[in-house]
Amino acid sequence: GAGVSQSPSNKVTEKGKDVELRCDPISGHTALYWYRQRLGQGLEFLIYFQGNSAPDKSGLPSDRFSAERTGESVSTLTIQRTQQEDSAVYLCASTIAGGDEQYFGPGTRLTVT
Amino acid sequence: GQNIDQPTEMTATEGAIVQINCTYQTSGFNGLFWYQQHAGEAPTFLSYNVLDGLEEKGRFSSFLSRSKGYSYLLLKELQMKDSASYLCAVRPPNRDDKIIFGKGTRLHILP
Repeated sequence: GAGVSQSPSNKVTEKGKDVELRCDPISGHTALYWYRQRLGQGLEFLIYFQGNSAPDKSGLPSDRFSAERTGESVSTLTIQRTQQEDSAVYLCASTIAGGDEQYFGPGTRLTVT
Repeated sequence: GQNIDQPTEMTATEGAIVQINCTYQTSGFNGLFWYQQHAGEAPTFLSYNVLDGLEEKGRFSSFLSRSKGYSYLLLKELQMKDSASYLCAVRPPNRDDKIIFGKGTRLHILP
């Protein structure tokens, strides 16, 4: 069946511009995570959606970052006024429940010039 | 809170055995995951341990000791394709809470 999809796969933007990244989770998965991964580094948790509960935003690095999710469907991660340090791969993952095995999307590689 | 420690890098030889350790200090615990991540790719699930002991899955085995807050991933008959990062992740006691990843161990396989 279809896995987690993310778009775009690559995004190059100029410093100061806003970008929007999209994640389509596996159908029926109630939980959705966003992570950031800089080159050669580990996963950095950004935000977590679980069903209708308030999202866990404790990993968002600044108020330039925000994310939305409508019900149990698509999620968008928005980065405003991008900075060069935002350059990274942004990974999305979904699970059936809050703590089960995560299925990762292929990621969006963001480059801020 | 949660704190997960793994070695940053390890090197092993093709055909050999390697053990990657993970220790955790958590306020609660409900299972431990291991993921594999090849360079430039997304992580993929390897194993999930809830009870103490060793679980074997082909060339890969995962061990858990809840009392010691310790797990390891054992890779046998190493192949060049096993060169990757290996991520340890802890599942909290509340299923609705997010799982926590360690920073990963980069494993280099030498011919």
